[in-house]
Amino acid sequence: AQSVTQLGSHVSVSEGALVLLRCNYSSSVPPYLFWYVQYPNQGLQLLLKYTTGATLVKGINGFEAEFKKSETSFHLTKPSAHMSDAAEYFCAVTDLTSGNQFYFGTGTSLTVIP
Amino acid sequence: DTGVSQNPRHKITKRGQNVTFRCDPISEHNRLYWYRQTLGQGPEFLTYFQNEAQLEKSRLLSDRFSAERPKGSFSTLEIQRTEQGDSAMYLCAAGKGGSSYEQYFGPGTRLTVT
Repeated sequence: AQSVTQLGSHVSVSEGALVLLRCNYSSSVPPYLFWYVQYPNQGLQLLLKYTTGATLVKGINGFEAEFKKSETSFHLTKPSAHMSDAAEYFCAVTDLTSGNQFYFGTGTSLTVIP
Repeated sequence: DTGVSQNPRHKITKRGQNVTFRCDPISEHNRLYWYRQTLGQGPEFLTYFQNEAQLEKSRLLSDRFSAERPKGSFSTLEIQRTEQGDSAMYLCAAGKGGSSYEQYFGPGTRLTVT
C-alpha cells in the first residue's frame, strides 16, 4: 500500500531564508505526487504536482519540488520564505493501482520568523 | 475559490443523532472525493465517486457512513448514530477525469459530537 512520510511536523525559518519541507513516499509503481497548502480555517490548495515528465516541478507562490525516484522523495522548496507562507503543508501520493485513493502525510506546520 | 462548496460549515450534534453533509462541485468535476481530517493529521480517504458511481470506499469506513452522488452532481455524506470519535473536519474534493489527478478542495464541514 502507498504511504507518505513527512519528516518534521514543525519547521521554522526566518523570513528570506530557504524553505525545505521533506516528503518521502512508498509506492510499488510509479507514483503521482502532490503538495497541498492549508491556511487556517481554509480548505487545501494545490501547490504543485508530479505525474510524468520533468522531475523538477514548479508550483504557485514560488514553490518547487523535485521527484527523486532513487530516494523515493518529493521535497518541497522555496528559495526565500515570506511571512505569507506560514501554513500547514501536506504531501500526497496516488498511482494507477490505488483505485483513485490518495494518501496524505501528517503535515508540516511552517512558521516564518520575521 | 476552488468552486467546491460545502454545507454546513459547522455542525454540532449529540451522540446518537444522524447528520448529513453536502458537497457541491462545479459541473466539469466528474470525480468527487470525501476525506476526514482530525487535528494534527492529514486528510484520510473515505470514498470516491466517478460521476454518480461510487467506485472506491475505504475499508476503514464504518457501516454508519454512507455517501451518494445522485445524477453525478452534488454529493451527500451521512453519518448515522454519531459517536464522539466522529468529531472531525469532513472535506470534499473534486476534479476532472482523464489523466488529471488534481483535486480541488472545499472548505470542509467541522463536526462536533457531544
